This record gives sequence, C-alpha cells and structure tokens, in this order.
Amino acid sequence: RKEVEQDPGPFNVPEGATVAFNCTYSNSASQSFFWYRQDCRKEPKLLMSVYSSGNEDGRFTAQLNRASQYISLLIRDSKLSDSATYLCVVNISPMRFGAGTRLTVKP
Amino acid sequence: DAGITQSPRYKITETGRQVTLMCHQTWSHSYMFWYRQDLGHGLRLIYYSAAADITDKGEVPDGYVVSRSKTENFPLTLESATRSQTSVYFCASQGQGVGDEQFFGPGTRLTVL
Repeated sequence: RKEVEQDPGPFNVPEGATVAFNCTYSNSASQSFFWYRQDCRKEPKLLMSVYSSGNEDGRFTAQLNRASQYISLLIRDSKLSDSATYLCVVNISPMRFGAGTRLTVKP
Repeated sequence: DAGITQSPRYKITETGRQVTLMCHQTWSHSYMFWYRQDLGHGLRLIYYSAAADITDKGEVPDGYVVSRSKTENFPLTLESATRSQTSVYFCASQGQGVGDEQFFGPGTRLTVL
C-alpha cells in the first residue's frame, strides 16, 4: 500500500464548479499535512497547510480526519487559473508526496 | 538572491557520462532533498540530508551519489548516466520545524541520449 494515496483524476470541471480532492495516508504517526500545487513543468509550491480543526484560505478549504487518516481539499467557484495538479503531502520525516490529482477547469 | 537555485536548468548528456546537478539555498535550512519526476508521474525521493555531512537514501537512490559538505549546497551526481535517468530533477529545502514547508528549486531537465 502506498504511504499517500490520491485519486489521479483527471477532474475536468466548468468554471464556477466546486470540486473536492481526497487523500488517504497509511502512517498514523504523521505529524503535519499540506496541499501543494504543481503547474505543468514547474516546481511544486505550497497551497496550504492542513490543520486538525480544518482551515480555509479564500476559495480553498482543507480538512483533516486523523482517526480515518484522511485529508481533503475543497475548491469553490473554480477559476481557469486553478488548473494544475494538486499534491497531498504528509510529513513523517521526510515528507511523503502523493502522486497528485490533475484538475482542468474549462470555460 | 535569496531562495533555492538549481544549475544547470537544462542538460543533455550521453550514456555513461558523469553528470553533476547543483543545488544551492540561502535560507540555511537544515534539510535538503533531491527528487526526480518522470513525465506524467509523481515525485520520487532520491536522497535527502538532515544537515551537513548527513545524508540518507530515499526511494530510488541507485545510480546517484550525493554529498553535503556545506549547509547551503547539495549536489547530485549521476556516476554513469543511463537513459532511464532522463527526467526532471527537483531540489528542495526545509527548515527543522515539523510544520515547515518544503521549498522547491525550479528543476533541472536532464536528457540522457
């Protein structure tokens, strides 16, 4: 079983749609959690950290369920510029990156 | 300039040649990492380092050598390049805190003919 598993997609959604990505991790000792964004042929960049109580940053909401070892990312009111690959990341020193979920937002 | 840089950005080499990819960070981060990313696939960890003179193997270390004599530099050497090592190589650095994010360099696109 992979340490971090994500649905690879691709997710193709129209502008304005709400889309949710899920991620599961296998190591209960994981200490911190993140979502990264990677644009085509570019380096990954931090989108947001994920906190136990859940957190929101504008149109993006991240949730963590430690009991189920599950992380989610919700994107509301999708924009064309949200098209990218979203990586779920779990820190069990060193960080473990999921393979990513590809999102395409269409006009 | 502050940040994390990689050189060269693009490299074409031939099978059997030795190639060194450079990585430099200006934050004095303790941790540094090397990943490879093949077209259409996820990141795979090659080697990482927790501090100067401390290195550990990642998921795919075979065919690669690293060193870390200074905190700010973490070169990756392909001792005898093979076509299967054609990939994009990303270097990253991270502070010591559990919640610290990893910062990535812009990547080196390596082609082995």
